[in-house]
Amino acid sequence: DAKTTQPPSMDCAEGRAANLPCNHSTISGNEYVYWYRQIHSQGPQYIIHGLKNNETNEMASLIITEDRKSSTLILPHATLRDTAVYYCIVRARGSNFGNEKLTFGTGTRLTIIP
Amino acid sequence: EADIYQTPRYLVIGTGKKITLECSQTMGHDKMYWYQQDPGMELHLIHYSYGVNSTEKGDLSSESTVSRIRTEHFPLTLESARPSHTSQYLCASSAGQGTSGNTIYFGEGSWLTVV
Repeated sequence: DAKTTQPPSMDCAEGRAANLPCNHSTISGNEYVYWYRQIHSQGPQYIIHGLKNNETNEMASLIITEDRKSSTLILPHATLRDTAVYYCIVRARGSNFGNEKLTFGTGTRLTIIP
Repeated sequence: EADIYQTPRYLVIGTGKKITLECSQTMGHDKMYWYQQDPGMELHLIHYSYGVNSTEKGDLSSESTVSRIRTEHFPLTLESARPSHTSQYLCASSAGQGTSGNTIYFGEGSWLTVV
């Protein structure tokens, strides 16, 4: 799986949009971008994933650049409960061979400021 | 919300005791995983399974063992707990096929403290 780079920490004011960047310059054509978050002492929570088109669900939006070398997770109206570590992961999807495990890096610690 | 459950959530146990961490999922997922995570540190894969009677070691060497006798159940066992086993253990599962693809869903985790 391709490696990702994220800033170690970010702050965002409550009610504002939180934009979390991720670089994945070595991503290959069959690799998806996944985002998870982990609130203290809980298991990681799936947020969203995408291949090359922008994606939106009830939790967040995912913007992937045209060259797919980077992406941004957007939490449109951050609340205090969005304070967590956010992980950006790239991995192939749909393969029955080889390694299907997720490799988590250190992520971005997002703090929502009241 | 993912339907994957871990018990116990918190456990304090003495050195040398045998412990089994339970993990069950009701999504019919073929693939299941165990990760280990120390506070503030990265997750490390210690075991995974592609289906019934399939188990593999992960990236991080672990003295624990796993079994997969039923699709929905993937317990992790430590035969003789030591303080170095103190950590959070996270169970996860994925379908591997279809529209949900390889999205991996995690349980709430089991915090193990060995004294």
